[in-house]
Amino acid sequence: AQSVAQPEDQVNVAEGNPLTVKCTYSVSGNPYLFWYVQYPNRGLQFLLKYITGDNLVKGSYGFEAEFNKSQTSFHLKKPSALVSDSALYFCAVRDFYNQGGKLIFGQGTELSVKP
Amino acid sequence: KAGVTQTPRYLIKTRGQQVTLSCSPISGHRSVSWYQQTPGQGLQFLFEYFSETQRNKGNFPGRFSGRQFSNSRSEMNVSTLELGDSALYLCASSPDRGTGRYEQYFGPGTRLTVT
Repeated sequence: AQSVAQPEDQVNVAEGNPLTVKCTYSVSGNPYLFWYVQYPNRGLQFLLKYITGDNLVKGSYGFEAEFNKSQTSFHLKKPSALVSDSALYFCAVRDFYNQGGKLIFGQGTELSVKP
Repeated sequence: KAGVTQTPRYLIKTRGQQVTLSCSPISGHRSVSWYQQTPGQGLQFLFEYFSETQRNKGNFPGRFSGRQFSNSRSEMNVSTLELGDSALYLCASSPDRGTGRYEQYFGPGTRLTVT
């Protein structure tokens, strides 16, 4: 079945250190991959996407993600974390082959950046 | 451009009642999707509308319905409310797939509490 997995419920990072939020996916056909961030009592905010092309994609607020087809992964990264990056992060895939293009979300990873 | 707007932001209803939530997409976006977010089930797809037609549907009971108007605004309706319907309901709009842009943009959500 098509799915997205975020293996870590929570990631703790010190401010200024690099951060990685992990995501793996399972879809038939080409994956359309996305990262979203959610702040408390807010909707989801689009960060970046991979559709095709370069495996390293850059997005908003200094975030980037690396697509790895052989490992079916799409990890979110940032070279230097900020306290303001603390939020809930969701990885998602749109499966046009089997699911009509609906967004399938991972369970989310709570990122905590401490000063 | 103005973002996706949802009304109302908060709603308290009693079991057995019905509720209608409204969503106005980003100007020019003709696709509107709805998602339910709960702590236990995470983010789940409800349905997608495009040009006033339901294009995709998730695995929710028939009590959940929606529609889209000619100006792309969308409403979702939940009849015979149950306690388990308490959730954050998120609306998302996206450009036509033919533009090559597949990301969805989310509104702030409607927090529904059923008592």
